[in-house]
Amino acid sequence: NAGVIQTPRHKVTGKGQEATLWCEPISGHSAVFWYRQTIVQGLEFLTYFRNQAPIDDSGMPKERFSAQMPNQSHSTLKIQSTQPQDSAVYLCASKNSSYEQYFGPGTRLTVL
Amino acid sequence: GEQVEQRPPHLSVPEGDSAVIICTYTDSATAYFYWYKQEPGAGLQLLMSVFSNVDRKEEQGLTVLLNKKDKQLSLNLTAAHPGDSAVYFCAVVGQGGRALIFGTGTTVSVSP
Repeated sequence: NAGVIQTPRHKVTGKGQEATLWCEPISGHSAVFWYRQTIVQGLEFLTYFRNQAPIDDSGMPKERFSAQMPNQSHSTLKIQSTQPQDSAVYLCASKNSSYEQYFGPGTRLTVL
Repeated sequence: GEQVEQRPPHLSVPEGDSAVIICTYTDSATAYFYWYKQEPGAGLQLLMSVFSNVDRKEEQGLTVLLNKKDKQLSLNLTAAHPGDSAVYFCAVVGQGGRALIFGTGTTVSVSP
């Protein structure tokens, strides 16, 4: 079991550019979560898919952020027109029918 | 909504000693409780999960206590070793079984 896979591990973008982050959940897991981690705000929930359907995006910034899960093997988080305040570690987690979420290694996004 | 406070923010522990981290939550309906470990540059590793009907759980040198009356969750690292040096996070999820709400983290440093 490879665990949750996130790519890239590090991404550097210029202000105003687009960033797309990828997550491959553990095979057989039906739910995918995205979180953001910063020194100031800590760990924050962004959005959640179950069986590929968006269930809860209450943590997503209303502008510039979007997430999709086109198939059961991957989810993407897209940030348009990146800003320095978007710099963070973006963590993806997956779970099956249990209540335990398993996290990937994260993608460190740096916006210059 | 649910809020989780975690203390202490930092903990220095001589090798072989014990360390205790405490989290206090606000929602008495909270059903699931977790402890995660994060090493530098890595994602969150699930250490232990506890359901609300359990008061005490021990696994591999770790003891989790749940005091529902005081809404407190604690993690006791017994006989700490340098490999235990990391940031530890508590997390809770409500009855909906969705997003995790995290504590602010405790940086544990174990010195030989």
